[in-house]
Amino acid sequence: SAVISQKPSRDICQRGTSLTIQCQVDSQVTMMFWYRQQPGQSLTLIATANQGSEATYESGFVIDKFPISRPNLTFSTLTVSNMSPEDSSIYLCSVLRGTGSYEQYFGPGTRLTVT
Amino acid sequence: SQQGEEDPQALSIQEGENATMNCSYKTSINNLQWYRQNSGRGLVHLILIRSNEREKHSGRLRVTLDTSKKSSSLLITASRAADTASYFCATATLNTGNQFYFGTGTSLTVIP
Repeated sequence: SAVISQKPSRDICQRGTSLTIQCQVDSQVTMMFWYRQQPGQSLTLIATANQGSEATYESGFVIDKFPISRPNLTFSTLTVSNMSPEDSSIYLCSVLRGTGSYEQYFGPGTRLTVT
Repeated sequence: SQQGEEDPQALSIQEGENATMNCSYKTSINNLQWYRQNSGRGLVHLILIRSNEREKHSGRLRVTLDTSKKSSSLLITASRAADTASYFCATATLNTGNQFYFGTGTSLTVIP
């Protein structure tokens, strides 16, 4: 398994502001992922964060809105920019572990409320 | 985008009964994983089944995979109140490498 921490665990933010979420892993991983889980919904992949290259965004998500940094193999940040109430969600980072078929492990999530 | 669909969306059973949840997906997969999410909490990895496997067990959990029908099932035997949670399947598809796409989830309530 993997030990993954996220900061902050929750926040309440004003419309129009930005929040940066941090994800720390207990050991080096090649790929990290950021997901969004809107209230009562399943998880939607936002982007894949690879160290040393730009993040790869899924359809419907853009870098200007969700800039991602991956400065090293144990850490990543996701920024939610120019927030609106529709951005209220749980944001989760995840990593893959294993060889061949990878198991995916998640951080505890950051619960964001935008007022 | 979501790859999988789970059914039922919600399930309510008595403690001690078995719970079965199904997941259907659209494209060929590399593997499929099941997760549990307690209300307001993070996701817990339950079990991974590879595309060349048909059945896996882990404690009270039994997962089956039918690649011809593009479906998987999760069986929880002798359910407990603590099993109350949402359960999701996630697939890693052949053409997306290691990216996982989640199903819609099944909300399970186990009544003591």
